[in-house]
Amino acid sequence: DIQMTQYPSSLSASIGDRVTITCRASQGISSYLAWFQQKPGKAPKSLIYAASTLQSGVPSRFSGSGSGTDFTLTISSLQPEDFATYYCQQYNSYPISFGQGTRLEIK
Amino acid sequence: QVQLQESGPGLVRPSQTLSLTCTVSGGSISSGDHYWSWIRQPPGKDLEWIGYIHYSGNIHYNPSLESRVTILLDMSNNQFSLKLSSVTAADTAVYHCARESSYYDSSGFHHYYYYMDVWGKGTTVAVSS
Repeated sequence: DIQMTQYPSSLSASIGDRVTITCRASQGISSYLAWFQQKPGKAPKSLIYAASTLQSGVPSRFSGSGSGTDFTLTISSLQPEDFATYYCQQYNSYPISFGQGTRLEIK
Repeated sequence: QVQLQESGPGLVRPSQTLSLTCTVSGGSISSGDHYWSWIRQPPGKDLEWIGYIHYSGNIHYNPSLESRVTILLDMSNNQFSLKLSSVTAADTAVYHCARESSYYDSSGFHHYYYYMDVWGKGTTVAVSS
């Protein structure tokens, strides 16, 4: 099984800041990496798939990069609605696996 | 816009069978382009993929749960379901249903790799006597 290591586990930032979250796979997964956002009591929301393709309707301040084993999610200028928990997910092989999550909090 | 909604008992007794249903609206579960999945997250722990089903009958379970899991389709009601037998306290979790989709890249190549593009908000299930 592929293990996903995501860091940091939590992050404090201010409105307008640029933040980066990292995800590392235990073996190569090509570009089969997705990112999603979760807020309490809400359905998780898909942000990015194929490592860097923005899901329809997702603001362009979100971007993803990487391939193989190392990936990043960047939010270029934090907005109030971006404070949430973010997860990476590999779908190169089953069982699908997830990172541990990054909780993004307001500083 | 496709939406998914989980439903089922919030409390299950140990050794019993957990049963949940996911109702799909705004789209059909008989679409060949998607897998229909279950994922769970125990309190304070990581997300765990449980398994998927395709309308063709193709099913894939997480080996860690395979001996206890059954996922079924109910096309007449546009629903799919999860059954987890012989539950223990370790099965206490928020259970999500989700749709998995494949995609075309910018050059038109179809990637037959499925990521979760639509999720339900989840339902909490506690296993306790």
